[in-house]
Amino acid sequence: DQQVKQNSPSLSVQEGRISILNCDYTNSMFDYFLWYKKYPAEGPTFLISISSIKDKNEDGRFTVFLNKSAKHLSLHIVPSQPGDSAVYFCAASGTGTASKLTFGTGTRLQVTL
Amino acid sequence: DGGITQSPKYLFRKEGQNVTLSCEQNLNHDAMYWYRQDPGQGLRLIYYSQIVNDFQKGDIAEGYSVSREKKESFPLTVTSAQKNPTAFYLCASSPDRGKNYGYTFGSGTRLTVV
Repeated sequence: DQQVKQNSPSLSVQEGRISILNCDYTNSMFDYFLWYKKYPAEGPTFLISISSIKDKNEDGRFTVFLNKSAKHLSLHIVPSQPGDSAVYFCAASGTGTASKLTFGTGTRLQVTL
Repeated sequence: DGGITQSPKYLFRKEGQNVTLSCEQNLNHDAMYWYRQDPGQGLRLIYYSQIVNDFQKGDIAEGYSVSREKKESFPLTVTSAQKNPTAFYLCASSPDRGKNYGYTFGSGTRLTVV
């Protein structure tokens, strides 16, 4: 039972344009969401997070939007840069899950010149 | 510099052998986790520990074992009972039980069965 889903396994975007990565969840107990970025043969690194009391959080070129009613969140990267090419994982935690994170399957972003 | 160290980076195992993957952190984090990454399946939780001398099974614990004798260390043993052990293994830690601080990850161990 995949509680966190990233339905697009890959995405290609031109340098300078906007990248939009999507994530859906099914567990209504999730109340904290995170995005991680992962390069090949390395561990994921934390990118940005959002609590369910907010609908938007921004950090430089990265913005995460949360739509609780739709159980959907998205990560926007503007402008996209070649160094952003990586796999992006959405993760969620919530009441009753202690500090455990449930991860999505990841989206591979390729930023082309 | 604080962080998580996983070793070795690459590991080869013969069928039928047990192997142990090391994970050490100097972040003074309470909780530690082991995940497995397979292509197209994201990160799946194997085991986690929220305090010394205590650990819990994750979603895919069969064929694995762990120990948490020290706060800093959370080794994972892949036993011969694990039918498909070839994967990329990631260790992570977080600072507090029950809080949503996110994880710090190690750089991973790639295990290959030969």
